[in-house]
Amino acid sequence: GAGVSQTPSNKVTEKGKYVELRCDPISGHTALYWYRQSLGQGPEFLIYFQGTGAADDSGLPNDRFFAVRPEGSVSTLKIQRTERGDSAVYLCASSLKTSGGAYNEQFFGPGTRLTVL
Amino acid sequence: AQSVTQLGSHVSVSEGALVLLRCNYSSSVPPYLFWYVQYPNQGLQLLLKYTSAATLVKGINGFEAEFKKSETSFHLTKPSAHMSDAAEYFCAVSRFYYNQGGKLIFGQGTELSVKP
Repeated sequence: GAGVSQTPSNKVTEKGKYVELRCDPISGHTALYWYRQSLGQGPEFLIYFQGTGAADDSGLPNDRFFAVRPEGSVSTLKIQRTERGDSAVYLCASSLKTSGGAYNEQFFGPGTRLTVL
Repeated sequence: AQSVTQLGSHVSVSEGALVLLRCNYSSSVPPYLFWYVQYPNQGLQLLLKYTSAATLVKGINGFEAEFKKSETSFHLTKPSAHMSDAAEYFCAVSRFYYNQGGKLIFGQGTELSVKP
């Protein structure tokens, strides 16, 4: 079956511009996560959705970053007034929450490489 | 707070040699621990996970890891390296697996090179 997909795969923008990054999770996965991976670093947690609501947004670096998941499936990460320091690979992952409350493994998408010039 | 330290940003082994990638964690609560592999231009793939069951965990592609609470370690091993094992490996910790969303805290990563 289809895995997690992310679009675009690459995005080049100019400093100060607005960008949107899209994530399509695995069908039926109720949990969705965004991570950011800077060059030479491990992924850093940004935000987690359970269904339509953001259950934990403690990793968002500032108020220029915002994410939505209006129908509990596709999610969009939005970055306003981009800065050169926002350049990174943005990873999306999804997982299935079982009836017992357990979260199964996270399946990661290939990422969107964002370059801010 | 939880954190993960991976010792060695680059590890090089010969084909057929033992692979040992080191991971130490810090957690004030019983942790859940993971190893992920990342091939160039691909997403992260789960190799194995420890969720408080057996301390020796076997994963895919012949990898295994042992949870040692006394040493706060979760090192990844493979008896015999293959060329296809060359990739970036990440150790990660999660506070809770149940009802907490399971957000992952990753280490810096270790790049594994395999020489013929």
